[in-house]
Amino acid sequence: QSVLTQPPSVSAAPGQNVSISCSGGSSNIAINYVFWYQQFPGTAPKLIIYDNNERPSGIPDRFFGSKSGSSATLGITGLQTGDEAEYYCGTWDSSVSAGLVVFGGGTKLTVL
Amino acid sequence: QVQLQESGPGLVKASETLSLTCTVSGGSVNSNNHYWTWIRQPPGKALEWIGYIYYSGTTNYNPSLKSRVTISLDTSKNRFSLNLSSVSTADTAVYYCARANLYLKLDPWGQGALVTVSS
Repeated sequence: QSVLTQPPSVSAAPGQNVSISCSGGSSNIAINYVFWYQQFPGTAPKLIIYDNNERPSGIPDRFFGSKSGSSATLGITGLQTGDEAEYYCGTWDSSVSAGLVVFGGGTKLTVL
Repeated sequence: QVQLQESGPGLVKASETLSLTCTVSGGSVNSNNHYWTWIRQPPGKALEWIGYIYYSGTTNYNPSLKSRVTISLDTSKNRFSLNLSSVSTADTAVYYCARANLYLKLDPWGQGALVTVSS
């Protein structure tokens, strides 16, 4: 059971927009930055959003992040077949004395 | 451009110790701006943070693994290592190393190393 809650799957057609939610709590998302990672089968995760809504260089502006309270959202506009992947949210959790990194359970994006 | 590469045995027997090394190129592990981190992913499952080490030697481990985990740093070889003791089949996973900044942004990641624990 992951600390952060994501829907197991979302789907949409090419060209459409989609959003993936990430729900946490007062000790994690509410007070810390949220990160999003994209993972294709058999490969390592790749950072696509950091500090809630910033994109690393090379990540298209079709990907955007937002945060409100203890929840965060990854949005993708103009879906492409190459966006089909697993997406994970992550953040720092301050519920234990030394803190720890926590992740969501992952969301499988299918581009129909 | 910083790159990380995991190495180590792909097969470990139950009750023994899993040992992996992450070699860093294009950057130094002796950096006060980064935490050198291990994450794992059991087959078909989500990511799980294992812990990190700072250049000073300070470590922080996931409470669920703390009693079995040791992460160490070798600045002379620009690498860091993971030891996980008393493994069971539940520890079978792809193990990733990654660099984290002070806000725990994980970037970049190594390609990952599959470790299978045999019973």
